[in-house]
Amino acid sequence: NAGVTQTPKFQVLKTGQSMTLQCAQDMNHNSMYWYRQDPGMGLRLIYYSASEGTTDKGEVPNGYNVSRLNKREFSLRLESAAPSQTSVYFCASSPGSRLKGANVLTFGAGSRLTVL
Amino acid sequence: AQSVTQPDIHITVSEGASLELRCNYSYGATPYLFWYVQSPGQGLQLLLKYFSGDTLVQGIKGFEAEFKRSQSSFNLRKPSVHWSDAAEYFCAVGARTNAGKSTFGDGTTLTVKP
Repeated sequence: NAGVTQTPKFQVLKTGQSMTLQCAQDMNHNSMYWYRQDPGMGLRLIYYSASEGTTDKGEVPNGYNVSRLNKREFSLRLESAAPSQTSVYFCASSPGSRLKGANVLTFGAGSRLTVL
Repeated sequence: AQSVTQPDIHITVSEGASLELRCNYSYGATPYLFWYVQSPGQGLQLLLKYFSGDTLVQGIKGFEAEFKRSQSSFNLRKPSVHWSDAAEYFCAVGARTNAGKSTFGDGTTLTVKP
């Protein structure tokens, strides 16, 4: 199984350009997440979707939008990219039920974004 | 608000030596606790987790961690480090809710000397 697949792996943008990061999972998970990782700052949650049809802001949502297209797919959009959004972005999913193991995250390999 | 502190930014150990990575958390109730490992250029992989019960939990690759409620700690240990253990390690605390949001520490980079 592929697990969590992110595209693209690398992207260079100019300030003000827009782009969408795609994420798909094949584990029938209910919950999906977008994190960004910056040096020395760990992972910070941008947005999450607890279940299909719902999305909520995380710790650092400004400058981003998300779409939970269906149960499998959760995209992250930058409408007008800024240099401060240069980062590595990780998509993750979890079962998202109330059972034990619900909150274990499975991560994609990451998307490295550079905004010039 | 929940938070995680990993006091050591970088640790260097010799191959074959023992390892302990520290993690302290702040959380209002009984937490879900996790350790993840990230190899260069890769996503994070779950090493082990604590939900309830036995406070000493075993994980993959020979790692273990001990939950100490009185110290708000969840330190990661390995008796004998292998060169392939060189990576970045993240401690995380999560809520016991459907949202499953986890807060991550800033990470500890492990270097293994031959």
